Amino acid sequence: SAVISQKPSRDICQRGTSLTIQCQVDSQVTMMFWYRQQPGQSLTLIATANQGSEATYESGFVIDKFPISRPNLTFSTLTVSNMSPEDSSIYLCSVPGGNEQFFGPGTRLTVL
Amino acid sequence: GENVEQHPSTLSVQEGDSAVIKCTYSDSASNYFPWYKQELGKRPQLIIDIRSNVGEKKDQRIAVTLNKTAKHFSLHITETQPEDSAVYFCAASKNAGGTSYGKLTFGQGTILTVHP
Repeated sequence: SAVISQKPSRDICQRGTSLTIQCQVDSQVTMMFWYRQQPGQSLTLIATANQGSEATYESGFVIDKFPISRPNLTFSTLTVSNMSPEDSSIYLCSVPGGNEQFFGPGTRLTVL
Repeated sequence: GENVEQHPSTLSVQEGDSAVIKCTYSDSASNYFPWYKQELGKRPQLIIDIRSNVGEKKDQRIAVTLNKTAKHFSLHITETQPEDSAVYFCAASKNAGGTSYGKLTFGQGTILTVHP
């Protein structure tokens, strides 16, 4: 199984600012996924981050709003830019491991 | 792209009863169907999964069935206990190379409440 950590675990931010979320995995993985879970909702994929290439964004998500870095096989960052209250969500990174996918503990973001 | 529909959105049962949650998917190329349990404030945890080469899988009180022709799969929990109360999500994915699966498309979730 993969052990995943995220920083910060939670944050409260002012609208118009940006927050960078870090995801660290204890093993090398090719693919990392970033999901958003809005309050009381399901998980929605934001983008797939592959090391050495540009992230692939899902419909409705754009790089200017959610820039992603993937500098190596164990680490990725997701930035939530120019935040508004609608960005208040839990952001989770996920990696495949063995025959399943594992999720990080999530970052709970509140935008005022 | 893939679309996963999940029903019901809420389910309330008495302890000891069975609970069934159903999902349908749209992409016939999907071949991996996990179920996650998410307790309040925690990350989703895999409880059972099924691949398209089997029709049923069981793990103690939990079972999953898959009908590829109809493109639907179901989660069955028997002898429910209060600690089974949580949000359950179904998901669909397809092979991304080797034994790894790619992105997950989630259903809307089912809030299961088991009353003592």
